[in-house]
Amino acid sequence: SQQGEEDPQALSIQEGENATMNCSYKTSINNLQWYRQNSGRGLVHLILIRSNEREKHSGRLRVTLDTSKKSSSLLITASRAADTASYFCASGYSSASKIIFGSGTRLSIRP
Amino acid sequence: EPEVTQTPSHQVTQMGQEVILRCVPISNHLYFYWYRQILGQKVEFLVSFYNNEISEKSEIFDDQFSVERPDGSNFTLKIRSTKLEDSAMYFCASGPGTGSAQPQHFGDGTRLSIL
Repeated sequence: SQQGEEDPQALSIQEGENATMNCSYKTSINNLQWYRQNSGRGLVHLILIRSNEREKHSGRLRVTLDTSKKSSSLLITASRAADTASYFCASGYSSASKIIFGSGTRLSIRP
Repeated sequence: EPEVTQTPSHQVTQMGQEVILRCVPISNHLYFYWYRQILGQKVEFLVSFYNNEISEKSEIFDDQFSVERPDGSNFTLKIRSTKLEDSAMYFCASGPGTGSAQPQHFGDGTRLSIL
């Protein structure tokens, strides 16, 4: 399998706290993407980080990539109730058009 | 904002029957994809389609599956003889450029239930 796992599988935090989700992968990648999935909906692209980048920001999102450890993390700062969703990382490979998804983290924000 | 649309939202089919899932990708996108998600599990790649032909497919995408872009706007997934284990959410996605280094835009999926 080209893709590893995400941890934690589930995360419950208080509104206003920061949420950190981790993703590991097994083979060298061209890029790593993060997607959000609200219950019963499709996936929404959040952010893409290329293999030659180490950190990327988008609004309250911060993504890091450590290619030596084959891992990435997604940090959501100042969480809101609307951030409640499942979050998936997906690996992209230069020889392929497809992306391979991880198992996801279910994030719940308590009011 | 343009979006990917999928129909129907829910399809119930008897085992052994053929089913066609329909998708309208974003109009200026060049790459099209099908994924499936069995309840509570990860999203699995099925097939990618570019320039009117399959560019990649997974081991899940066997002879029972086929894809077609019949009229330049629709993108369909056909399952010839459905099995119980085909029950899942099926997501269509499209992307603006070549390769994996482009964000993919997903529809809201078709829930396929095989009885």
